[in-house]
Amino acid sequence: DGGITQSPKYLFRKEGQNVTLSCEQNLNHDAMYWYRQDPGQGLRLIYYSQIVNDFQKGDIAEGYSVSREKKESFPLTVTSAQKNPTAFYLCASSIVDSRDEKLFFGSGTQLSVL
Amino acid sequence: SQQGEEDPQALSIQEGENATMNCSYKTSINNLQWYRQNSGRGLVHLILIRSNEREKHSGRLRVTLDTSKKSSSLLITASRAADTASYFCATLHLGGSQGNLIFGKGTKLSVKP
Repeated sequence: DGGITQSPKYLFRKEGQNVTLSCEQNLNHDAMYWYRQDPGQGLRLIYYSQIVNDFQKGDIAEGYSVSREKKESFPLTVTSAQKNPTAFYLCASSIVDSRDEKLFFGSGTQLSVL
Repeated sequence: SQQGEEDPQALSIQEGENATMNCSYKTSINNLQWYRQNSGRGLVHLILIRSNEREKHSGRLRVTLDTSKKSSSLLITASRAADTASYFCATLHLGGSQGNLIFGKGTKLSVKP
């Protein structure tokens, strides 16, 4: 089945620790995105990438880092600089040929601080 | 700042009734999209309407767009308990890439059997 796989489903972070959230897609999409969702809120863009080895900051990139070494993979690292990391993190992908394209989402990772 | 704002924030109806959700936005758009999110899950794309379209249908869904009022509505007809979810509008503003798709805070729909 084609789709986006996020792992783990739940993740706990200790103070001062970096943690990495995984996102893999087999849809052959060029573009991938990371969003943060807080309770009762909409999605806010953290980072996005439209091509391998290139990515751009979104609205709330501080305290996060990403890499895009392969088309299929777009891992997100939540660094110790992110002081309020507890949130639901969503990865998405799309093609980039048209601005009418929809986003395909993974099932999310809930990150909590111990 | 968020582009789209949905109202109401929450909506509770009986099965079989219609559900209407509204979305307002601030600046000119390329397209407007509606997504659905079941609790604790990812979003699923429902329908996209372009700025030069006024109405679009997909199954039990009907979307309208009024660019003069900068607003859209999503109508779900003959609702079912399985329609219970949060619904988000997302707008792509003119000149933006998909990285500039901006989501509202959503409407939480509860359909009672």
